[in-house]
Amino acid sequence: DQQVKQNSPSLSVQEGRISILNCDYTNSMFDYFLWYKKYPAEGPTFLISISSIKDKNEDGRFTVFLNKSAKHLSLHIVPSQPGDSAVYFCAAGTDSWGKLQFGAGTQVVVTP
Amino acid sequence: GAVVSQHPSRVICKSGTSVKIECRSLDFQATTMFWYRQFPKQSLMLMATSNEGSKATYEQGVEKDKFLINHASLTLSTLTVTSAHPEDSSFYICSAHPRTSGGRGEQFFGPGTRLTVL
Repeated sequence: DQQVKQNSPSLSVQEGRISILNCDYTNSMFDYFLWYKKYPAEGPTFLISISSIKDKNEDGRFTVFLNKSAKHLSLHIVPSQPGDSAVYFCAAGTDSWGKLQFGAGTQVVVTP
Repeated sequence: GAVVSQHPSRVICKSGTSVKIECRSLDFQATTMFWYRQFPKQSLMLMATSNEGSKATYEQGVEKDKFLINHASLTLSTLTVTSAHPEDSSFYICSAHPRTSGGRGEQFFGPGTRLTVL
């Protein structure tokens, strides 16, 4: 049962524009949510997280929005840069010791 | 920042042999380490959770006798794929949850190990 879903397998965006990645979840017990970035043949890299008690968290070009009533979160990247081209995974957890559920990932391609 | 290493990065082995993959947290202690498997163009699939000094907890459908996990210290966990078969070929990734993360759930991932079983 997929508790974290990323319904868009890919996203193409022009350099300098905003990238918006979406993620939906079904488990209302999730306490925190994270976004990871992954290049081919490498491990994921942590980008940004948000606690369930917040609705927004910002870190440089990355902003994560959480809508608990809709069980939806999104990652905004602005402005998008060529180096942002990667697969982005949404993840969610309930345990303080870190077990996460991952979405299927969204491949982002930033074009010049 | 927190660094996790994996060794080897790539391994090719014959069917029937066993392969050990090491995962180390280099600059922090990890209460918990996780082992994932990724198939091409698919998401990370959690295989097992290992806590230092105790038995690993395996996800449903993962054979514990085939994928042996040892968490010898707060900085080292190993995954041994026993009697490997071609269907075990995959990209294996470990991650570590820092001891001092304060419940944020953040995991730091290793670079992954590409296993090819001939």
